[in-house]
Amino acid sequence: QKEVEQDPGPLSVPEGAIVSLNCTYSNSAFQYFMWYRQYSRKGPELLMYTYSSGNKEDGRFTAQVDKSSKYISLFIRDSQPSDSATYLCAMGDYGGATNKLIFGTGTLLAVQP
Amino acid sequence: DVKVTQSSRYLVKRTGEKVFLECVQDMDHENMFWYRQDPGLGLRLIYFSYDVKMKEKGDIPEGYSVSREKKERFSLILESASTNQTSMYLCASTTGGLGNQPQHFGDGTRLSIL
Repeated sequence: QKEVEQDPGPLSVPEGAIVSLNCTYSNSAFQYFMWYRQYSRKGPELLMYTYSSGNKEDGRFTAQVDKSSKYISLFIRDSQPSDSATYLCAMGDYGGATNKLIFGTGTLLAVQP
Repeated sequence: DVKVTQSSRYLVKRTGEKVFLECVQDMDHENMFWYRQDPGLGLRLIYFSYDVKMKEKGDIPEGYSVSREKKERFSLILESASTNQTSMYLCASTTGGLGNQPQHFGDGTRLSIL
């Protein structure tokens, strides 16, 4: 079993839709959670960074962490064609056995105009 | 903003060649990383460095080596390139802990080995 599982998609939605992207993980020691966006032929760029459980909102983006279920989500409201990209989750702990970031394989999102 | 610059966006080399990929960051980060990214496999850590002249193997170090002579520069070396090393290579840097801080990525080098 992989430490982090992410549905690869592709996910195709119409412009204006609410998008939900998800990752599950197995290591209960993870406390730091990130979402990256990667456009085609570019490197990943950090979108959201959260610690422990709860929600964090930034504009149209909301990151949600449920540590009891080992499940994290990224919601995109009012999706735009410019949101079309691959979204990667990443997570880790501090000073623990892992001591590195573990990345999901990414979900490819296409927002249709 | 952190800037991580990879010297080449696209590179084509031949089997058996020694290949150098260069990465420079401008934020005085102590930690630097090399990943390869392949469809369906995601990001796989090749090597990382937490200080000048210090290096640690990642998950897939075979066939690779690294060099960090200056804090801002981290080089990945393919000792004798093989076709299964055709991939997208990403460099990243961060400060602080290895498992709790966001990493900042360059735009990648797409390497083809013929």
